[in-house]
Amino acid sequence: QSALTQPASVSGSPGQSITISCTGTSSDVGGYDSVSWYQQHPGKAPKLMIYDVSNRPSGVSNRFSGSKSGNTASLTISGLQAEDEADYYCSSYTSSSTLVFGGGTKLTVL
Amino acid sequence: QVTLKESGPALVKPTQTLTLTCTFSGFSLSTTGMRVSWIRQSPGKALEWLARIDWDNDKFYSTSLKTRLTISKDTSKNQVVLTLTNMDPVDTATYYCARGYSSSNFDYWGQGTLVTVSS
Repeated sequence: QSALTQPASVSGSPGQSITISCTGTSSDVGGYDSVSWYQQHPGKAPKLMIYDVSNRPSGVSNRFSGSKSGNTASLTISGLQAEDEADYYCSSYTSSSTLVFGGGTKLTVL
Repeated sequence: QVTLKESGPALVKPTQTLTLTCTFSGFSLSTTGMRVSWIRQSPGKALEWLARIDWDNDKFYSTSLKTRLTISKDTSKNQVVLTLTNMDPVDTATYYCARGYSSSNFDYWGQGTLVTVSS
């Protein structure tokens, strides 16, 4: 199972919006509404930010939103804040009953 | 309050078998829909899903590692155990356990445990 494709890095200024893409295939992202997004600060465990494509867990800011079109899922962060600077990973359930992560995207807040 | 904590050796030699234990609290792995997965992250690299065990003892493994992995649970002890055979330096990573509930996402994670493979 190949990793999902994410851009290695994205950046934005405080207050701006950014979008991180996550591209898979019809056997994972495109075939299931089971895409999740995780935020990981250095030295910390990942934190669930979005599940099932577009749902936010309790306590996660509504500045974070998710969507999907075909084989590509997206995470949008609006009103960028310094604390959003972190690595972001997407994941998807697969047709093999396994789970696959993306390669990760480093978000820099300028 | 849900918590998970990984434990195991910090250093293993090549060809040895790694055994990691995830001890959790705040939920029961006998509850319908409950799942625990193992995920690892090599230094500076991406997350990699390894294995999952469900409340009904169904088990799922990474395609690329399935011949080396075994996952099991002890519901009475609130523990999930992962073994990885024939360890190699490329298996050096932080190993996390994480909870899932009726879905493919992980809502609670352990702090992770760093395992280094070196002779």
